[in-house]
Amino acid sequence: DARVTQTPRHKVTEMGQEVTMRCQPILGHNTVFWYRQTMMQGLELLAYFRNRAPLDDSGMPKDRFSAEMPDATLATLKIQPSEPRDSAVYFCASGWDRGTDTQYFGPGTRLTVL
Amino acid sequence: GENVEQHPSTLSVQEGDSAVIKCTYSDSASNYFPWYKQELGKGPQLIIDIRSNVGEKKDQRIAVTLNKTAKHFSLHITETQPEDSAVYFCAASKGGFKTIFGAGTRLFVKA
Repeated sequence: DARVTQTPRHKVTEMGQEVTMRCQPILGHNTVFWYRQTMMQGLELLAYFRNRAPLDDSGMPKDRFSAEMPDATLATLKIQPSEPRDSAVYFCASGWDRGTDTQYFGPGTRLTVL
Repeated sequence: GENVEQHPSTLSVQEGDSAVIKCTYSDSASNYFPWYKQELGKGPQLIIDIRSNVGEKKDQRIAVTLNKTAKHFSLHITETQPEDSAVYFCAASKGGFKTIFGAGTRLFVKA
């Protein structure tokens, strides 16, 4: 049963610390998305990649957030320095651009910045 | 800009009743309309989808209808059960993963 995996599932950190979230997309998928969700509603697109190249990161605060795909099996989202307003659940999703536009979501990383 | 409006934001029904969630999209180029269900502590999961060349699609207790002229699409859940309680998102896409999500509907099914 292929699925998107995300680590860590939970992260508690102090303001000013660096946070790195990781995502392993479904094998064979070439499109990866990062979303942020607060209060269990509303999916805010932060960035997305196709074939490891960033296509749109306009939703991401550039001064503190960065997203990369070091290889086809790993996507990372970093926050440096973290702030309390970054507390949210961060979802990674993947898809294949030759099929439907279905996105397959991971379980999310719940981030709390104190 | 392009957007997807979803209503209601919260819906409470009695077990066994039907639930209907409605979405309206603005981009007439949209041709793919998925619905996602998000249970507590989990990521959204696709439950049903419809393409613009189809007016209705059913899968057991869930169905989706699409009115391209009016740019409306709806999710219908019949014989609701407590496990249907979740947040539901509609989305509209025009290919190339240019997808816009609705704001979500929190569905409560009371036993």
